[in-house]
Amino acid sequence: EAQVTQNPRYLITVTGKKLTVTCSQNMNHEYMSWYRQDPGLGLRQIYYSMNVEVTDKGDVPEGYKVSRKEKRNFPLILESPSPNQTSLYFCASSLSSVGTGELFFGEGSRLTVL
Amino acid sequence: DAKTTQPNSMESNEEEPVHLPCNHSTISGTDYIHWYRQLPSQGPEYVIHGLTSNVNNRMASLAIAEDRKSSTLILHRATLRDAAVYYCILRDVSGNTGKLIFGQGTTLQVKP
Repeated sequence: EAQVTQNPRYLITVTGKKLTVTCSQNMNHEYMSWYRQDPGLGLRQIYYSMNVEVTDKGDVPEGYKVSRKEKRNFPLILESPSPNQTSLYFCASSLSSVGTGELFFGEGSRLTVL
Repeated sequence: DAKTTQPNSMESNEEEPVHLPCNHSTISGTDYIHWYRQLPSQGPEYVIHGLTSNVNNRMASLAIAEDRKSSTLILHRATLRDAAVYYCILRDVSGNTGKLIFGQGTTLQVKP
């Protein structure tokens, strides 16, 4: 089954404790991206990747890192999480980096930073 | 970055058509218009996309203005399962950027 898988789905952590949210897709997609969703602010893009080893900042990249060492995986790294990173996170992928393809989203990862 | 503007919320009665508008006055020639919807407690899902011509699929229709500065997502017969947040976004077809701006979308309520 074609899907985008995020882990963990739920996480409660403390300020400063490094964490990684994994994202994996099984569709051989070129493009992958991370978003955060907060009440009243909608979906905001954190980082995106046009292909392996090619990443770039979205609108809200501060406090986050990403890597794209292989095509299927695009982990989101919070080196030193802070309470303002408490949010619902979504990973998405699409076959192509250009605008003709639909985005497939994961089910979301709810992160709470105390 | 090209942005879209949508009403915050809309209401519809079940089994009636729904027209969800989106303004994108700064759209460029290389932008595709995409629509996604997000059901409660789920990730967004693709609905439809187009460039210039109107498009139909099993879920909805997309009507694009001649000047491409606005578009309308049409749900022909709303059902209770269509209650969701609908997002209109622009995706650059040139490949120069992967930036996407979703905004807050339109929350659609469907009344029985």
